[in-house]
Amino acid sequence: RKEVEQDPGPFNVPEGATVAFNCTYSNSASQSFFWYRQDCRKEPKLLMSVYSSGNEDGRFTAQLNRASQYISLLIRDSKLSDSATYLCVVTTPGRKLQFGAGTQVVVTP
Amino acid sequence: NAGVTQTPKFQVLKTGQSMTLQCAQDMNHEYMSWYRQDPGMGLRLIHYSVGAGITDQGEVPNGYNVSRSTTEDFPLRLLSAAPSQTSVYFCASSRRLGLNTEAFFGQGTRLTVV
Repeated sequence: RKEVEQDPGPFNVPEGATVAFNCTYSNSASQSFFWYRQDCRKEPKLLMSVYSSGNEDGRFTAQLNRASQYISLLIRDSKLSDSATYLCVVTTPGRKLQFGAGTQVVVTP
Repeated sequence: NAGVTQTPKFQVLKTGQSMTLQCAQDMNHEYMSWYRQDPGMGLRLIHYSVGAGITDQGEVPNGYNVSRSTTEDFPLRLLSAAPSQTSVYFCASSRRLGLNTEAFFGQGTRLTVV
């Protein structure tokens, strides 16, 4: 079983709509949680950290559910520029980063 | 602001050849790491370093060597290239190995082994 699992998608989203997707992690001792964004054939970049109480950054909302061991990302008012692959990243004991394979989001006009 | 610089961006190797992927960062970060990214598998950790002179193996270290003689540089050596090493390689650095620490990535090296 992979340490971090994501639905690969693609999630096809009309411009202006809301999209949400989850990521599950297997290690209950995981300590930190992040969403990274990766554009086609480019390097990953940090989108946002995920805090226990949930947090927002503009149109992006991240939630953490430790009991069920998943994190979520919601994108409101989707823009064409939101088209990308979103990587779920978890810090395991020993503090190494574990990456999910990514969820592809395609925003259409 | 250079950040993390990786070279080369593209490389084609023949089976059995060796080469070094270069990685340099100018942010004075302690922690550096190498990942490979294959379709459907996410980024997998090859080797990492928590400071100059200290390296350790990650999830998929076989066939690769690293060294960390300076804080800035963390080269990855392929000893004898194999087709299974065809992948996209990313170098990353972060200020420390810890909670809520952002990792910065280089632009990647697309390696094909024929």
